[in-house]
Amino acid sequence: EAGVAQSPRYKIIEKRQSVAFWCNPISGHATLYWYQQILGQGPKLLIQFQNNGVVDDSQLPKDRFSAERLKGVDSTLKIQPAKLEDSAVYLCASSITNQGREQYFGPGTRLTVT
Amino acid sequence: GNSVTQMEGPVTLSEEAFLTINCTYTATGYPSLFWYVQYPGEGLQLLLKATKADDKGSNKGFEATYRKETTSFHLEKGSVQVSDSAVYFCALINQAGTALIFGKGTTLSVSS
Repeated sequence: EAGVAQSPRYKIIEKRQSVAFWCNPISGHATLYWYQQILGQGPKLLIQFQNNGVVDDSQLPKDRFSAERLKGVDSTLKIQPAKLEDSAVYLCASSITNQGREQYFGPGTRLTVT
Repeated sequence: GNSVTQMEGPVTLSEEAFLTINCTYTATGYPSLFWYVQYPGEGLQLLLKATKADDKGSNKGFEATYRKETTSFHLEKGSVQVSDSAVYFCALINQAGTALIFGKGTTLSVSS
């Protein structure tokens, strides 16, 4: 069974530029999560989708971050414009149910904002 | 609110030593508890879990027992190997069952 796929693996941009990350969850997983992991900290939820609807985006900085999951499969996370403090690893995870009991993580995208 | 506190690292051990990584939590109700591991260059992997009080999760020689009276879920292994070197994260999910809440992670380094 293929795991959660993410791309790109690494990205370096200058502040005020925009960037987009892509995630393909495990086939059949209805729930998709985006987490932000700042160096030295645990992952923090940004947004959770159930199929193509948003379940929780309370910690998403909506003035600069956006995410979508069209057709309830792949998802993209965008930052525009980026700030220095956005430097982090962005993790995508999926689970078969919306109870989140068993989440499977992708390898992450490491973003560096200079 | 819900939170997880882990012992600070790094933890440095010799091969075959006994490992304990402490984890305590704050949550309403009865959360499910998890340990995730992140090997160098890899994504987060579920190591073990426990969904109710007194449950013991185990995998790959690691164990953790859900202690509601002390709100703890300490990770233990009787004899660590060099290949166990990684970052370990304690996490919980509350009864609403939305997203995981993670601790800050503990880096384990095992030398031969």
